[in-house]
Amino acid sequence: NAGVTQTPKFRVLKTGQSMTLLCAQDMNHEYMYWYRQDPGMGLRLIHYSVGEGTTAKGEVPDGYNVSRLKKQNFLLGLESAAPSQTSVYFCASKKTTSGLNNEQFFGPGTRLTVL
Amino acid sequence: AQSVTQLDSQVPVFEEAPVELRCNYSSSVSVYLFWYVQYPNQGLQLLLKYLSGSTLVKGINGFEAEFNKSQTSFHLRKPSVHISDTAEYFCAVSDVWPVDSSYKLIFGSGTRLLVRP
Repeated sequence: NAGVTQTPKFRVLKTGQSMTLLCAQDMNHEYMYWYRQDPGMGLRLIHYSVGEGTTAKGEVPDGYNVSRLKKQNFLLGLESAAPSQTSVYFCASKKTTSGLNNEQFFGPGTRLTVL
Repeated sequence: AQSVTQLDSQVPVFEEAPVELRCNYSSSVSVYLFWYVQYPNQGLQLLLKYLSGSTLVKGINGFEAEFNKSQTSFHLRKPSVHISDTAEYFCAVSDVWPVDSSYKLIFGSGTRLLVRP
């Protein structure tokens, strides 16, 4: 099993450009998450999905959109990139039945720079 | 809502010395706690977790953590560190998202462990 994979690994954008980050998992997990990691701030939840076709806002959703058309994929979109979105983005997934046993499995991350 | 505090942003230590990384959480009736490790340029890996039972939890790579309910702490320890333990360590607590009652992790700000020869 590949676990959780993310594409691309690195990207540089100019302000105002758009892009989509792809997350894929092969563990048949229902829940999927997008986080951003900034120095000194830990991981903050952007959006999440509790199943195919459903998405919801996390703590810092502004400027991002997501889609979960297939159970194994969770896409994060930036419609008009801003320098404040320079960050490392992590995708994670977990089983539904784990409840508060919230062990999440993380991808390797995407490092995004917006100039 | 839950919150997690990691007071130390960086902990330098010499190889083979013991180390303790501190984590405090806000109180709750029941709590599920996690430590994740992030090696340079990699994603997060689960180090250990506390769900219930014994308050001393053993994880991978010789790490252990002790759940202390009265002090609302979940400190991570290792008796003898190696250069390869150099990484960022995140404490996290499980919480219920009020919007839809789904479950989420609340992360601390992280502690960078720097092991020197």
